Amino acid sequence: DAGVIQSPRHEVTEMGQEVTLRCKPISGHDYLFWYRQTMMRGLELLIYFNNNVPIDDSGMPEDRFSAKMPNASFSTLKIQPSEPRDSAVYFCASSSGVWDRQHTDTQYFGPGTRLTVL
Amino acid sequence: QKEVEQNSGPLSVPEGAIASLNCTYSDRVSQSFFWYRQYSGKSPELIMSIYSNGDKEDGRFTAQLNKASQYVSLLIRDSQPSDSATYLCAVNAAYDYKLSFGAGTTVTVRA
Repeated sequence: DAGVIQSPRHEVTEMGQEVTLRCKPISGHDYLFWYRQTMMRGLELLIYFNNNVPIDDSGMPEDRFSAKMPNASFSTLKIQPSEPRDSAVYFCASSSGVWDRQHTDTQYFGPGTRLTVL
Repeated sequence: QKEVEQNSGPLSVPEGAIASLNCTYSDRVSQSFFWYRQYSGKSPELIMSIYSNGDKEDGRFTAQLNKASQYVSLLIRDSQPSDSATYLCAVNAAYDYKLSFGAGTTVTVRA
């Protein structure tokens, strides 16, 4: 499997513009997670989906952020309008949702999208 | 979200030495614990998970869990320059798919 695929890998935009980040989870994985990583706040969970349905969006910072998962193989995270403080690396991760004997469900991360908002 | 604290770095160790990383968590319902390794500019990669109290060994890595003390650690034996990375501790509650991450500890292995 190719792993989790994210695009674009880098995005530079100007304040006020709309930004759309894309993610393709590992085939067969039922859970998809969007994270944001900054030096100041570390790795934060923004939202996660189960079988394309948003389960918990309590980490979404504000209404400018929205996420969708129209099907099992595609998800988007949209920021509109973007602000300089949104500059971060955004990771998508997926997991099978099947707990192993160690009571763990491994999340596999994509390569991330480095977003810079000028 | 649960609060996860990691010992502040950076941690510098000579090649061949043991690197010891510590993590404490505040939520007693936390049940599964993970150590992710993140190389600079790359994504986190799971290297160890632990659920039961005690030690779990995988190659040069040993995870130690003490739920009574709400403490989990990672030992890297015979440290190699390729172990130079940031190590993230993560926890979740039973059958909770949300992971809470610590800030990470950066390890540098000196040749």
